[in-house]
Amino acid sequence: VQLVESGGGLVQPGRSLRLSCAASGFTFDDYAIHWVRQPPGKGLEWVSSISWNSGNIVYADSVKGRFTISRDNAKNSVYLQMNNLRAEDTALYYCTKATGYTSGWYDYWGQGTLVTVSS
Amino acid sequence: EIVLTQSPGTLSLSPGERATLSCRASQSVSSSYLGWYQQKPGQAPRLLIYGASSRATGIPDRFSGSGSGTDFTLTISRLEPEDFAVYYCQQFGFSPQTFGQGTKVEIK
Repeated sequence: VQLVESGGGLVQPGRSLRLSCAASGFTFDDYAIHWVRQPPGKGLEWVSSISWNSGNIVYADSVKGRFTISRDNAKNSVYLQMNNLRAEDTALYYCTKATGYTSGWYDYWGQGTLVTVSS
Repeated sequence: EIVLTQSPGTLSLSPGERATLSCRASQSVSSSYLGWYQQKPGQAPRLLIYGASSRATGIPDRFSGSGSGTDFTLTISRLEPEDFAVYYCQQFGFSPQTFGQGTKVEIK
């Protein structure tokens, strides 16, 4: 199982960024995917989850209305569109595989992609 | 939102000693939805315990989880050098799913 995030970088407040997560080594469309973030030197925060068929999508209140999660099962990929970025969105963003169709434990993690929001 | 409070913030122990980490929930959580993760410096977290007491694949039996309701515990029976890390509890029984703030287990 491998999860590889990409798309992070330095962005100004108010701008947008799109993260990607490419998955391999498992039957991708059998599992939900979560995004989790970790600000530098701090703890873990769940950001968003998408079920196997995109039928169940949830967001943390801190990103609701600004972030959009999506997946393309044909490409074994999940995306996180992040709009109107704020300084407090600065973090390492992890893509994680869930243990179930709609949710579950985070049994595999990528190495993360760093998003820095600063002017 | 369910708040998970972990204690202590830092645990200073020697290899071979027993570590006991606590996770207290602001309201009752089904043990089916309580888990523990380990994170070493520069690495992604990894799943240790799910369903409060079941070890994830490949996790040594010196790690054990217990508890119910609002009080959960992760125990490391005899600390190995590779066990010094930060440990997080997590619940996904209620939305939003939440993590504790972490307990750092450091070498004394």
